[in-house]
Amino acid sequence: AQKVTQAQTEISVVEKEDVTLDCVYETRDTTYYLFWYKQPPSGELVFLIRRNSFDEQNEISGRYSWNFQKSTSSFNFTITASQVVDSAVYFCALSGANTGNQFYFGTGTSLTVIP
Amino acid sequence: GAGVSQSPSNKVTEKGKDVELRCDPISGHTALYWYRQSLGQGLEFLIYFQGNSAPDKSGLPSDRFSAERTGGSVSTLTIQRTQQEDSAVYLCASSLVVRATDTQYFGPGTRLTVL
Repeated sequence: AQKVTQAQTEISVVEKEDVTLDCVYETRDTTYYLFWYKQPPSGELVFLIRRNSFDEQNEISGRYSWNFQKSTSSFNFTITASQVVDSAVYFCALSGANTGNQFYFGTGTSLTVIP
Repeated sequence: GAGVSQSPSNKVTEKGKDVELRCDPISGHTALYWYRQSLGQGLEFLIYFQGNSAPDKSGLPSDRFSAERTGGSVSTLTIQRTQQEDSAVYLCASSLVVRATDTQYFGPGTRLTVL
């Protein structure tokens, strides 16, 4: 089965703290792709990153970093030195090469950064 | 266009009425997807189009839901005899082709409220 679990429903942090958003996935595909999207209060989903299952290198982009571990089927997202503008709902998603190109989204983690 | 556009942005209707939601994808994108996001829920995949063809309609919640795409561009999602449980934000996304590696770019959504 294809499934994405984001166990953290809501997280609140104080500005400048680091925060990690968890994502655990299940898939029967050997080739698959993982995504993170941000949904700010305005509502429009914004693409953040895509990783494929063959590349387990961690990715860093500014204050954002992603830790992909196949051994634990996790693709966690860390925001360093959080800012108020980071407040949003963050979705992790999975797409498999053999699952008709459907995207499977987690239920999202609502992050609130308190000034 | 510059991004995916959807109309209307908000729709309030009475139970039992039919509604049509429109999606205009990014120019040149052959793949188009419809999702539903209910309050406090993740994204629920409804249907995707490759060109004008929708090979998999199994995600549509009931036979009251239908979608079409003509000319490989604009798509319309129609909900007949709306029910209160249809109230949600309906999101449209497009990508270059239907492929797991392709990033989906989302529109702002249509918020549907069924009274």
